[in-house]
Amino acid sequence: GAVVSQHPSWVICKSGTSVKIECRSLDFQATTMFWYRQFPKQSLMLMATSNEGSKATYEQGVEKDKFLINHASLTLSTLTVTSAHPEDSSFYICSAPGTSGDQPNTGELFFGEGSRLTVL
Amino acid sequence: DAKTTQPNSMESNEEEPVHLPCNHSTISGTDYIHWYRQLPSQGPEYVIHGLTSNVNNRMASLAIAEDRKSSTLILHRATLRDAAVYYCILRGGTNAGKSTFGDGTTLTVKP
Repeated sequence: GAVVSQHPSWVICKSGTSVKIECRSLDFQATTMFWYRQFPKQSLMLMATSNEGSKATYEQGVEKDKFLINHASLTLSTLTVTSAHPEDSSFYICSAPGTSGDQPNTGELFFGEGSRLTVL
Repeated sequence: DAKTTQPNSMESNEEEPVHLPCNHSTISGTDYIHWYRQLPSQGPEYVIHGLTSNVNNRMASLAIAEDRKSSTLILHRATLRDAAVYYCILRGGTNAGKSTFGDGTTLTVKP
């Protein structure tokens, strides 16, 4: 099946610095990717929808200037956490809809392995 | 977003069938029912999805109620590796493919 890869798997940074997380679709093209964050013992919370060649659409309550999303190509979306603070420590996950068979809005979602961010 | 509700937790014995329920009473006609599972510190993994008819694949079966307001994921013979959080979500064309994840069901498999 299709593969989505995230990098880095984990990252530790100092408060006030920025961190970039990459999400790649390895064997298919993804015009749309979704970014989530997940706190311990909680469910996934959708942060934003990344759209290739256009601006990302953010969910209510998610600061677009804090969480910068760039979808520069059909296989890469990046999430940059700017001026990170300890409360931004979380598990960040991306997903992309598959392109074979089903329509992209209704078919299988392929998830990355997740990136654990710890802000000191 | 159409929402789903699932029991917080369920237990099963190894090699026995498991039936994981999901309610989605506000499902729209174009929403597909999806199931994913997540192991600790990993991204979710696709299990199965369907629209109206029951579906089978190598991992599981999906039974969809006739009115589509509920569904059941069936693991035919649970193994220890099936212990995970199982999420039932809806994906449809009316919301640009976005999905809301509920709290999911934590499945514990006892040897």
